[in-house]
Formats: sequence, C-alpha cells, structure tokens
Amino acid sequence: NAGVTQTPKFQVLKTGQSMTLQCAQDMNHEYMSWYRQDPGMGLRLIHYSVGAGITDQGEVPNGYNVSRSTTEDFPLRLLSAAPSQTSVYFCASRRSNTGELFFGEGSRLTVL
Amino acid sequence: GENVEQHPSTLSVQEGDSAVIKCTYSDSASNYFPWYKQELGKRPQLIIDIRSNVGEKKDQRIAVTLNKTAKHFSLHITETQPEDSAVYFCAPYNTGGFKTIFGAGTRLFVKA
Repeated sequence: NAGVTQTPKFQVLKTGQSMTLQCAQDMNHEYMSWYRQDPGMGLRLIHYSVGAGITDQGEVPNGYNVSRSTTEDFPLRLLSAAPSQTSVYFCASRRSNTGELFFGEGSRLTVL
Repeated sequence: GENVEQHPSTLSVQEGDSAVIKCTYSDSASNYFPWYKQELGKRPQLIIDIRSNVGEKKDQRIAVTLNKTAKHFSLHITETQPEDSAVYFCAPYNTGGFKTIFGAGTRLFVKA
C-alpha cells in the first residue's frame, strides 16, 4: 500500500492563479479530509468527505473547493489564489468506524 | 462545534526528565482520544490512542490518561530523549461523527 499520496510536494503561484492539489489513497478509506498548517500553528480543517459524492466544510473552507467522485481521490481546488493561502496542506484519510488519521507527506504552497 | 485546547504550548525539558501535555475538549460525545507526533518537516503520525472505556494506556515510554468526567486527557513521556523533540497534537473525536478537530499543538524541546 502506498497509503496517502499528495501531489505536488511544492508549488509557487501568483495571486489570482488557480490550481488543484491532488490526494489519493489506496486503503479504501471512506473518510478523507484536507488540513492546512501555517508556521508555528496547528492543523486547521478545510473540507472533508465521508464518501463518494459527499463533502462538507471544515473550520476554514473559504477560498477552497472540493469534490469526491471516487473513493480513492479527493482533490482540493484553489480558484483564485491569495497570499493568505500560503501554507502547508495535508490530506488525511481513515476508515469511518475508526479514529486514526493517516496523513500524506504534505504540499507546500507559496502564493506571491 | 468542538473546542480543543492544549497546554502548554511549549515545553522544554532536560533529557531523562518526564513531560506531560494536557488536552481539554468540549464535546462530551468524544470517545476516541489520540495523540499525534509531528517531527520537523514531516507529516503527523499517531503515537498512542485511548478509547473511552479505558482510563490509561501505556506503550513503553509513553502513556495516555483519560478523565472523561472532566473532559481532558494527557500525554505522558518518561525518560525523554532528544528524538522526542517534536510538536504533539491531540485530536479528540466522536467515532459516530465525522470531522476531526486538532488542538493547537505543543512544541516539546528535549535538551541533551
């Protein structure tokens, strides 16, 4: 099992550009989520999904879109990047009836 | 929504000393209580967890204790070593629910 795979690992954008962070898991987990982590700060939940076709907002959803067309994939879209979205983004998944979250390696995004 | 607080935010100990980090939560339906460790530049990973029918769990030098009445649980690290230096997060969770909210993290420094 590869676990949770995120791409790209690093990305630099200009203000107003759009991009998609990819997340895929091969553990057949129903639950997937996106977090952002700013320097010296904790993990803040952006969006989550409890299964294909079902998504919901977390703590800081503004400026981000998600969709879940398959169990394996949960992409995060930035439609118009802003400097405030400079952060490290983590994708995480788990089985619905358990608690442990499995994280990807993270994607470092810089918006100029 | 769930309110999760961790204390202290920073902890510095001498090698060989013990360290204790406390997590307080607001959702009385929480029944799964994990601690994650994040080394510098790495992803968070589960190091120990406890479920609500157990008061204490140990795994070598680390332990977690739970007080459901007071709604807090703690991470205990004994005989600390330099490799214990990291950021530790709690993330109390209701396995009948969905989203997982993390505490703000505790940065532990172990001085050799």
